[in-house]
Amino acid sequence: AQTVTQSQPEMSVQEAETVTLSCTYDTSESDYYLFWYKQPPSRQMILVIRQEAYKQQNATENRFSVNFQKAAKSFSLKISDSQLGDAAMYFCAYRSGSQGGSEKLVFGKGTKLTVNP
Amino acid sequence: GAGVSQSPSNKVTEKGKDVELRCDPISGHTALYWYRQRLGQGLEFLIYFQGNSAPDKSGLPSDRFSAERTGESVSTLTIQRTQQEDSAVYLCASSLVAAAHYEQYFGPGTRLTVT
Repeated sequence: AQTVTQSQPEMSVQEAETVTLSCTYDTSESDYYLFWYKQPPSRQMILVIRQEAYKQQNATENRFSVNFQKAAKSFSLKISDSQLGDAAMYFCAYRSGSQGGSEKLVFGKGTKLTVNP
Repeated sequence: GAGVSQSPSNKVTEKGKDVELRCDPISGHTALYWYRQRLGQGLEFLIYFQGNSAPDKSGLPSDRFSAERTGESVSTLTIQRTQQEDSAVYLCASSLVAAAHYEQYFGPGTRLTVT
């Protein structure tokens, strides 16, 4: 079974600075997708960024980028120029890309990000 | 267009009572998922529906949990004889189809408290 581990329960960053959230995962599959979701106090899960395992290039979305290390099974999220609105819980998630594989998302336990003004 | 909606937003129930949680997916989305989020934890998969195929119930924690979906529309998650450990936020998500490259869109969840 696939597992996702987020080793940082809490992180803090000063406004306008950069922060990196860590995620590692375990799988025997070669085809899969990785995601970072943001969950503010409203509970609404928002997709921040996703990475297809077959792509070598790291995904970027504006101030958000990932460092995907497939051999190390590592998938970290970098937030640049942090803003107060970035404060939230961040969840790393895995999804099988194999035909006939499970369609469920497997989540880590999350990292609570605080942004200090 | 409208996103995924869930009702009620909050539910308090007594131990031993049955509860029903409702999810309205995005119109046209054939896949629907239920997840549970316990306090301070990540989301745990419960069940998903894809069109008229048999649902994947592999995440349901006990036979007290069941879910139904009417066609490709609303879904109801039922918990019978609720226990205190059932207290959690129950999140629903939908996607166009159940395939990895299709994004799952989440609702705001139902917070269930069992007293």
